[in-house]
Amino acid sequence: KAGVTQTPRYLIKTRGQQVTLSCSPISGHRSVSWYQQTPGQGLQFLFEYFSETQRNKGNFPGRFSGRQFSNSRSEMNVSTLELGDSALYLCASSLLGQGAYNEKLFFGSGTQLSVL
Amino acid sequence: QQQVKQSPQSLIVQKGGISIINCAYENTAFDYFPWYQQFPGKGPALLIAIRPDVSEKKEGRFTISFNKSAKQFSLHIMDSQPGDSATYFCAASTDKLIFGTGTRLQVFP
Repeated sequence: KAGVTQTPRYLIKTRGQQVTLSCSPISGHRSVSWYQQTPGQGLQFLFEYFSETQRNKGNFPGRFSGRQFSNSRSEMNVSTLELGDSALYLCASSLLGQGAYNEKLFFGSGTQLSVL
Repeated sequence: QQQVKQSPQSLIVQKGGISIINCAYENTAFDYFPWYQQFPGKGPALLIAIRPDVSEKKEGRFTISFNKSAKQFSLHIMDSQPGDSATYFCAASTDKLIFGTGTRLQVFP
């Protein structure tokens, strides 16, 4: 079974631009969660999508948005990029979604975004 | 209240030694406490998890100790090996996983 696939692996953008990151979950998984990872801050929860609906959201500004398609693939968009948005963005899929009993998240290898 | 505090930030252990990483939380609604292991260039992967009705869980060389009254839990790695060198994250969950800031473990031969 293929794992969680994130594309692209690396991205370099300049301030003010926007960016779209893609995540393909494990086949059969209906939940996709996004996390931002920075040194010293750990993993910060962005949002979770389940069956095309946003089920939960973290404390990030509205510049961060996402969506999920009918095939469970998800995209995350960041508009008006700032230097502080430079981070590793991780996508995780799960079968029943966060909060389900003993639910396990399967992470992709992430997209490393650098904002210059 | 949603934070999970993790220490130490980094840890150096000799091969065969015991590695101990500690986490503390405030939110008593958390009901699931997993540990994730992350190697460079990879995403985190679930290592071991515990629920608050159990005080200890052991899987091979990895043990979680849980103290509900103190709102603390820890990961013990027995007989640490160079292959255990990675970043370890504790986490706590109700409807979403809240992660600690991570501990970089280096095991030297």
